[in-house]
Amino acid sequence: EVQLVESGGGLVQPGGSLRLSCAASGFTFSTYWMTWVRQAPGKGLEWVANIKPDGSEKFYVDSVKGRFTISRDNAKNSLYLQMNSLRAEDTAVYYCAILLNYALDYWGQGTLVTVSS
Amino acid sequence: DIQMTQSPSSLSASIGGRVTITCRASQSINSYLNWYQQKPRKAPKLLIYAASILQSGVPSRFSGSGSGTDFTLTISSLQPEDFATYSCQQSYSTPLTFGGGTKVEIK
Repeated sequence: EVQLVESGGGLVQPGGSLRLSCAASGFTFSTYWMTWVRQAPGKGLEWVANIKPDGSEKFYVDSVKGRFTISRDNAKNSLYLQMNSLRAEDTAVYYCAILLNYALDYWGQGTLVTVSS
Repeated sequence: DIQMTQSPSSLSASIGGRVTITCRASQSINSYLNWYQQKPRKAPKLLIYAASILQSGVPSRFSGSGSGTDFTLTISSLQPEDFATYSCQQSYSTPLTFGGGTKVEIK
């Protein structure tokens, strides 16, 4: 059974940092593109970043470029999102998802990040 | 960036009724269009990919159509478990972008 379990969310002050993790199981993690998507409270979905199976290519939405870094450890079946210089507008539930057939095939349950003083 | 415009933003429908949701892209995206269902406090679930291919396990009352810039999600006979928010998403180019969502409520 495919499982994606996010962790690392919490309350952080503006300008602070947080590292999200996504533990994957039930599929061959090292062969799939992976994605982070976020959803601000009461709002729609927003794509954040993608990473190639071997980690050699990464893509970001403009609003997080230079502040967020997506990475992965295929030996640990884990995906990460390092978030620096956090802003109030980064407050959201962050989901990791598998990108397959150009679609977000399976999603984790999400982890809430709140940026507030 | 490709903008995705969904309509309506919400609708009320009866059990057994037919529901149609539309999604329009700001430029042609061929068939790189996906539909998701999301229930409150839950993660989104993929329903349809490549505009018209039903994801495994999704009931056949869901269908998708369209190509280019105009797409449609249809629920042929609404069931109680279908009350949720539906979002389209283009995967033609990065940044991947989503429509604003359509909330389907009970009439």
